[in-house]
Amino acid sequence: QKEVEQDPGPLSVPEGAIVSLNCTYSNSAFQYFMWYRQYSRKGPELLMYTYSSGNKEDGRFTAQVDKSSKYISLFIRDSQPSDSATYLCAMSGPQAGTALIFGKGTTLSVSS
Amino acid sequence: NAGVTQTPKFQVLKTGQSMTLQCAQDMNHNSMYWYRQDPGMGLRLIYYSASEGTTDKGEVPNGYNVSRLNKREFSLRLESAAPSQTSVYFCASRGTGSGANVLTFGAGSRLTVL
Repeated sequence: QKEVEQDPGPLSVPEGAIVSLNCTYSNSAFQYFMWYRQYSRKGPELLMYTYSSGNKEDGRFTAQVDKSSKYISLFIRDSQPSDSATYLCAMSGPQAGTALIFGKGTTLSVSS
Repeated sequence: NAGVTQTPKFQVLKTGQSMTLQCAQDMNHNSMYWYRQDPGMGLRLIYYSASEGTTDKGEVPNGYNVSRLNKREFSLRLESAAPSQTSVYFCASRGTGSGANVLTFGAGSRLTVL
């Protein structure tokens, strides 16, 4: 079993839809959880950063962490064509500076 | 703010040729990383440097060497390129404090080995 599992998609939705992206993980020591967005032919950029369990909201984006289920989610409300990108989850253990483990990414396409 | 700068952006090599990918960051970060990204494989860590003067192997180090030239610069060298090294290479850096678990990536270097 890989440490981080992420469905690669592709996921296609119409503009305005609510999008749910998910990752599961096996290492209970993970404490830091991140979502990166990567546009075609660009480097990944940090979208959301969460420590431990709970929710974090930033505009149309909400990140959720459920450590009991080892499951993290990213919700995008009122999706826009500009949200079309690959979304990568990443996580790491409790000590600052430990290695990040990435999911393989989910490709999202939002049509107008 | 430039952040993380990688050169070159594109490169085509023949099998057996050598080349060096350059990376520089201007955020005063201690740690720097080299990843490769291949379709269906995600981001895989090649080498990293936790601080100036140290380097360590990641998940896929074979065929690569690195040099942490100073705090700003971290280069990746392919001594004898192989077609299996055709990939997109990303350099990243990470600071300390509250952002210590967040990576900042460069724009990538697209390498093709014929």
